[in-house]
Amino acid sequence: DTGVSQNPRHKITKRGQNVTFRCDPISEHNRLYWYRQTLGQGPEFLTYFQNEAQLEKSRLLSDRFSAERPKGSFSTLEIQRTEQGDSAMYLCASSSWRGLGELFFGEGSRLTVL
Amino acid sequence: GQNIDQPTEMTATEGAIVQINCTYQTSGFNGLFWYQQHAGEAPTFLSYNVLDGLEEKGRFSSFLSRSKGYSYLLLKELQMKDSASYLCATTGGGNKLTFGTGTQLKVEL
Repeated sequence: DTGVSQNPRHKITKRGQNVTFRCDPISEHNRLYWYRQTLGQGPEFLTYFQNEAQLEKSRLLSDRFSAERPKGSFSTLEIQRTEQGDSAMYLCASSSWRGLGELFFGEGSRLTVL
Repeated sequence: GQNIDQPTEMTATEGAIVQINCTYQTSGFNGLFWYQQHAGEAPTFLSYNVLDGLEEKGRFSSFLSRSKGYSYLLLKELQMKDSASYLCATTGGGNKLTFGTGTQLKVEL
């Protein structure tokens, strides 16, 4: 399977704990995006990488959220001191430099904060 | 900033045609995109318009009017499997895709 891979698929944690999600994009894609989606809403942009450089970060993202993409391949999204409001589906997507707007999404990582 | 509006829900009959509208306001424009998302699954790309007019792709077509900030997705010969959320999105003038809240389409017998 050469699609976008995310893990874990599900994470249940207690409030205050840290969680980390991993995304492996399609190998030839240099752009990588993280989105968050809650029930009944469209995906909400969190951050964007071109190769290893984080080029844009949503102003909605608090300093508890951090993302990395070392070596321009896989990416991690860490949430520190989780809150119940962080419960959502975290979606990763990748695209090639040609495919602006044509994103290939992973299956997502569902976070539940108790 | 960007603002995208689309209806929350629509219902249509199997075999019929349905049109899902989207209006947008952006500070720049690189294109208008439509995605399909089945319940519990990730969004998948359907279509892309950068110039005014109609783009046809099988049973699905998408229309764009840049001067009016308006697009629609047309689904023909509806099938039960078309029941899903349809997301309108635009890049504005940048590199990120901003999505609307989605239109939940229910196809009935």
